[in-house]
Amino acid sequence: LAKTTQPISMDSYEGQEVNITCSHNNIATNDYITWYQQFPSQGPRFIIQGYKTKVTNEVASLFIPADRKSSTLSLPRVSLSDTAVYYCLVGGDLNSGAGSYQLTFGKGTKLSVIP
Amino acid sequence: ETGVTQTPRHLVMGMTNKKSLKCEQHLGHNAMYWYKQSAKKPLELMFVYSLEERVENNSVPSRFSPECPNSSHLFLHLHTLQPEDSALYLCASSQDRGAGGGYGYTFGSGTRLTVV
Repeated sequence: LAKTTQPISMDSYEGQEVNITCSHNNIATNDYITWYQQFPSQGPRFIIQGYKTKVTNEVASLFIPADRKSSTLSLPRVSLSDTAVYYCLVGGDLNSGAGSYQLTFGKGTKLSVIP
Repeated sequence: ETGVTQTPRHLVMGMTNKKSLKCEQHLGHNAMYWYKQSAKKPLELMFVYSLEERVENNSVPSRFSPECPNSSHLFLHLHTLQPEDSALYLCASSQDRGAGGGYGYTFGSGTRLTVV
């Protein structure tokens, strides 16, 4: 299973763009990169998923370099409500091989948005 | 509401009790999961069901017993738990077993379990 490494915590002021980088040196060919957001005492919430290059949705952007050994979640103009723990996960789909489908959560990055 | 509903939201039980956690998904997903989240620890995958068949059991003690009667419902039966089993238990579902095909996992709000 591909292991991920993220910063333990980050601070940002309201209105700033926040970039959280995740390292996944052992990512497999069929693995996707998925980011989740979790508030205290709630389940994680899906933010964005990508395989390569750049993916953008209404919430965030995900940048993945050609070697796919890292990825960066970009949150534009954060607000206080974006204070949460952000998880980067790598994992495959049904046909990508036994075990690789397990999305293993690391410790995540605790983002604190300051007024 | 995420489309995955867990009940109860909070549960306090004694070490000799038997209780069950329930999860229901209204998303038409084919895979369901139980995760455990202890204080200051990463989420731990406990069980995976795909099309009602258990496909993964991550060395979970037998005092935790899952049941998946159909693709929409998942239970976690608890008996003779220990205080260290106190945690947030999360249920999740996905379209298929795997990364979620572009939409990832959908989690419920969890059951906060306290074993006394």
